[in-house]
Amino acid sequence: GAVVSQHPSWVICKSGTSVKIECRSLDFQATTMFWYRQFPKQSLMLMATSNEGSKATYEQGVEKDKFLINHASLTLSTLTVTSAHPEDSSFYICSARGQQMNSPLHFGNGTRLTVT
Amino acid sequence: DAKTTQPPSMDCAEGRAANLPCNHSTISGNEYVYWYRQIHSQGPQYIIHGLKNNETNEMASLIITEDRKSSTLILPHATLRDTAVYYCIVRSKEGAQKLVFGQGTRLTINP
Repeated sequence: GAVVSQHPSWVICKSGTSVKIECRSLDFQATTMFWYRQFPKQSLMLMATSNEGSKATYEQGVEKDKFLINHASLTLSTLTVTSAHPEDSSFYICSARGQQMNSPLHFGNGTRLTVT
Repeated sequence: DAKTTQPPSMDCAEGRAANLPCNHSTISGNEYVYWYRQIHSQGPQYIIHGLKNNETNEMASLIITEDRKSSTLILPHATLRDTAVYYCIVRSKEGAQKLVFGQGTRLTINP
């Protein structure tokens, strides 16, 4: 089945630094990937839609200059949290859809970001 | 995409069938019903999806009512490893491909 790999699985960084999270589709090509954020005891919240070769589409309330998304190839999307602050500490999860129109979305195992 | 309503929590005994309901009364004709689950600190796992016919795979069965306003996910022989949050989501085949998650049902399988 379709596999989505996320790296790193966890990261700790100091306030003010930037962190890059990678999302790869391992056995299929993904023209579209999605980035979610999840706070403790809450559901997943969609942050943005990442489109290969074009700009990402951000959900309302998500700062595009703070959460930089790059989808340079059909198998890789990256999310960079710039100038991270403690309130950015969260569980970040990416997903990608298989190539067929009715294919389900498959999710990575998430990245736990802790900003100190 | 149509909104879904699920009970916040359910309990089930190990070895029994777990039946998780989902209400999607505003579903439209081109929207599919998807089920995912999330085990603590992991990404969501795809379980099953359907349009109007009942579906079965190695993980679960999906029963969709004739009017498509509700559905039930059935885990036929629940194990402790099935303890997770289960999300029912409706999504159009066309247009927006994103999945919008509700609060889901926290299913606890008891020994």
